[in-house]
Amino acid sequence: EAQVTQNPRYLITVTGKKLTVTCSQNMNHEYMSWYRQDPGLGLRQIYYSMNVEVTDKGDVPEGYKVSRKEKRNFPLILESPSPNQTSLYFCASSPRTSGKSEQYFGPGTRLTVT
Amino acid sequence: QQQVKQSPQSLIVQKGGISIINCAYENTAFDYFPWYQQFPGKGPALLIAIRPDVSEKKEGRFTISFNKSAKQFSLHIMDSQPGDSATYFCAASIEYGNKLVFGAGTILRVKS
Repeated sequence: EAQVTQNPRYLITVTGKKLTVTCSQNMNHEYMSWYRQDPGLGLRQIYYSMNVEVTDKGDVPEGYKVSRKEKRNFPLILESPSPNQTSLYFCASSPRTSGKSEQYFGPGTRLTVT
Repeated sequence: QQQVKQSPQSLIVQKGGISIINCAYENTAFDYFPWYQQFPGKGPALLIAIRPDVSEKKEGRFTISFNKSAKQFSLHIMDSQPGDSATYFCAASIEYGNKLVFGAGTILRVKS
């Protein structure tokens, strides 16, 4: 089944404790992206990647890191989480071929930082 | 600031009625306007999308109306059903939709 998977789905942590949220897709998509969803703000892009070893900042990159060493994986790293990073996080991928622009979203990771 | 402004924040419609959600944008470089549907506990999924060279696109009960001069677009859900109850996001992007800018979302509830 074609899908984007994220782990963990739920995470409660404390301020300053480094964490990684994994994202993997099995559709051979070039493009991957991370979003955070907050009430009243919609989805805001954190980082995106056009292909392996190519990443760039989205609209809200502060406090986050990413890497793209393999085409299928795009982990999101919070080196020192803070309470304002409490949010619902989504990973997405897209094939980026001409005329095909649908983004496929994972199921989400709900993060709480206390 | 929000590059894509979406209204209303929430909407209650009777079963069989028409649901209308509106979005406005400022950046005239946007060339792709999708709508995503999100059910509780799930990630958003593409519902329907339009490019600015057409004024309307219809897929089943879902229609996008696009007004390029006004920089506005809207989603119409005809014969709304309880199963349509979800959060709807409009979005806009340049270059085939890879860098999407989302609206704030509309929570739709269809009463049976």
